[in-house]
Amino acid sequence: DVQMTQSPSSLSASVGDRVIITCRASQTISTYLNWFQQKPGKAPKLLIYAASSLQSRVPSRFSGSGSGTDFTLTISGLQPEDFATYYCQQSFSTPLTFGGGTKVEIK
Amino acid sequence: EVQLLESGGGLEQSGGSLRLSCTASGFTVTNYAMSWVRQALGKGPEWVSGISYSGGTTYYADSVKGRFTISRDNSKNTLYLEMNSLRVEDTAVYYCASSGGPNVLDNLDYWGQGTQVTVSS
Repeated sequence: DVQMTQSPSSLSASVGDRVIITCRASQTISTYLNWFQQKPGKAPKLLIYAASSLQSRVPSRFSGSGSGTDFTLTISGLQPEDFATYYCQQSFSTPLTFGGGTKVEIK
Repeated sequence: EVQLLESGGGLEQSGGSLRLSCTASGFTVTNYAMSWVRQALGKGPEWVSGISYSGGTTYYADSVKGRFTISRDNSKNTLYLEMNSLRVEDTAVYYCASSGGPNVLDNLDYWGQGTQVTVSS
C-alpha cells in the first residue's frame, strides 16, 4: 500500500497569509495526487486533482504542485472560509490512501 | 444538481450486519466508478471499497475484505455496501463518492453527506 505523510499536522495562520502544506508518498506515484478540504460535519471536498489541476468552481488561490513522491498545496491569501482540515490522497493504486491531515487554524 | 444520499446506517452489535445504500440524483452513475469511504471520529478518511462503472470489478481495503461486499444497480442509480461480521472498529461515518470516470482510480469528485454506523460490543 502507498503510505501518505502530510506535514505539518496543524498550523496557525492569519487571513491573507500564504499557507503551504506538504505531502509525501512512500513510493513514486507520478502525479496521481489529489487534495481535499474538509470542514467539521461535512464530507471532504475535492480541490486539486492530478497534483496541479484545479477542480471546477474552486478559487484560484488554491494551487498544487509536485510529482513523484513530493507534493505541495498552496493557499495564496488565506480567507476566513479556508480554515479547515486538508487531506492529500493518492489515486495511483488501490487501496486509495489518504494523508493524516493538516488542520489550518486561525492565529 | 448532483447529489448522493446515503442511508442504512445505525447501531448494530458486534458480529451483526448492516446494508448501506447510496442513491444518486442529478446525474447517471452508469458511466462512473463509485467508492465507499469511512471516517472515524477525529480521524482521517479511510477508503473502504470501490466498484467499476459496470460493476464488473470490485476492490476492498484489507480491513474489510471478506466481510464487506460492494455492489451497484445502475438501473436504480444506486450503490450498496453489505457489511457483515461487524466489528467495533468499523464504527465511523460512511460516505459514498463517485469517481470522475469509469475507473476506481479516477478522482472522487462528488460525495454524499454520510451515514453513521456504530458497532457496539
